Amino acid sequence: SQQGEEDPQALSIQEGENATMNCSYKTSINNLQWYRQNSGRGLVHLILIRSNEREKHSGRLRVTLDTSKKSSSLLITASRAADTASYFCAPLNNDMRFGAGTRLTVKP
Amino acid sequence: EAQVTQNPRYLITVTGKKLTVTCSQNMNHEYMSWYRQDPGLGLRQIYYSMNVEVTDKGDVPEGYKVSRKEKRNFPLILESPSPNQTSLYFCASSFTGHDYEQYFGPGTRLTVT
Repeated sequence: SQQGEEDPQALSIQEGENATMNCSYKTSINNLQWYRQNSGRGLVHLILIRSNEREKHSGRLRVTLDTSKKSSSLLITASRAADTASYFCAPLNNDMRFGAGTRLTVKP
Repeated sequence: EAQVTQNPRYLITVTGKKLTVTCSQNMNHEYMSWYRQDPGLGLRQIYYSMNVEVTDKGDVPEGYKVSRKEKRNFPLILESPSPNQTSLYFCASSFTGHDYEQYFGPGTRLTVT
């Protein structure tokens, strides 16, 4: 099994700025998923990108996947205070493991 | 409303006193799992179930038991809780396996003294 490793561990930006979070993993995957967690609450699925896809969009979210580098990035554009949360990636081959996440703080 | 429910949401108990945390989903999902979340360690999977009567160990199964007698329910049992099981617990479900998004419950904060 493998887990994603998110980078940076913490990120603080001003409202309106873009936030980029990265995820690295070690072995081949079927898909990779990104989740958001507001403090102390359950994770919420954001986006799933399959291994044959390179980029995917959902509203203000843009996810890229580079299987040659075994990495993914999550971009949140025009951030809002409500985007303050922890973000986790979960690479999947036979199972899914979560890393420690990136803690994003968006200051109003 | 499609959801995963957990009970209780908060629990303080003493070492050795058996407890059960219930998990139920109303989406007819085949796959269910339990995670614990500790500061700096992210989410670690305890047990998962691919379908009724099928359960498997995750990364940290020691000290826990599960059962899957019905599709909608997946209780987590701590036969003899210890302080190192103090944690935030999440139940999750998905249509089938990991190739679909997982729906998470609201969490159960357990303190074992």
